[in-house]
Amino acid sequence: AQSVTQPDIHITVSEGASLELRCNYSYGATPYLFWYVQSPGQGLQLLLKYFSGDTLVQGIKGFEAEFKRSQSSFNLRKPSVHWSDAAEYFCAVGPRWGQNFVFGPGTRLSVLP
Amino acid sequence: DVKVTQSSRYLVKRTGEKVFLECVQDMDHENMFWYRQDPGLGLRLIYFSYDVKMKEKGDIPEGYSVSREKKERFSLILESASTNQTSMYLCASRAGSSSYEQYFGPGTRLTVT
Repeated sequence: AQSVTQPDIHITVSEGASLELRCNYSYGATPYLFWYVQSPGQGLQLLLKYFSGDTLVQGIKGFEAEFKRSQSSFNLRKPSVHWSDAAEYFCAVGPRWGQNFVFGPGTRLSVLP
Repeated sequence: DVKVTQSSRYLVKRTGEKVFLECVQDMDHENMFWYRQDPGLGLRLIYFSYDVKMKEKGDIPEGYSVSREKKERFSLILESASTNQTSMYLCASRAGSSSYEQYFGPGTRLTVT
C-alpha cells in the first residue's frame, strides 16, 4: 500500500537556524514526490517536486529537497529559517500515471525569534 | 496566476442538513479534486473529476457526492451531514493528467453540530 510518513509532528527552530523536515514513503514504483506548505488559514502551495534526474531539487522560498531512493526518503531542507516559514509542511507522493496522490500527516514548524 | 476559490471559509451546519461546498477555478483545468484535511491524517482524497460530468471515487467517498456540470466548477455535497464530517475541506485543480501540479483553494472549515 502507498503511504507517506513524516516522523516529526511539530518542530521548533530559532530564526536563522537550519531546518530539515523528514519524509519517508512506501511505494510500489518510482513515484513523483512533492513538498507543499500551508500557511495558517491558507490552502496548500507547492514548494518543489521531483520527477527524475538530479536528486537534489530546488524550490521556492529557498527550500531544497533530496531524493534518496535507497532510503525511500525525500527530506526538505533550508539553510536559514525565517519567521515567515512558520507553517505546516506536507510531503506527498503520486504515481507516474494516474490521479491519486498520498499526503503525509504534516509537520508543523514553529520559528522562535 | 491560477486561482481556486471556495464559496465559504467557514460553515456551520446541523446534523442531517444537506450541505453544498462549491469550488471554482479560473484556468480551464481539466482535473479537479476534493480533499478532507484532519489533524494527524494529512489530506485524504474524497472525489476527483477528470472532465465535465466525469468523476471517480477517492479514498473516502462514503457520505459524499460530487457534481461537475461546468468545467470551472466542482461541487461537494454532503447529503445528510453528520458530526464526523466536521473537518477542513480543500479543493484543488490541475491542468490535466500529464501535469502533476495541483493548485489548492483556501479551504472551507465545516462544523456540523
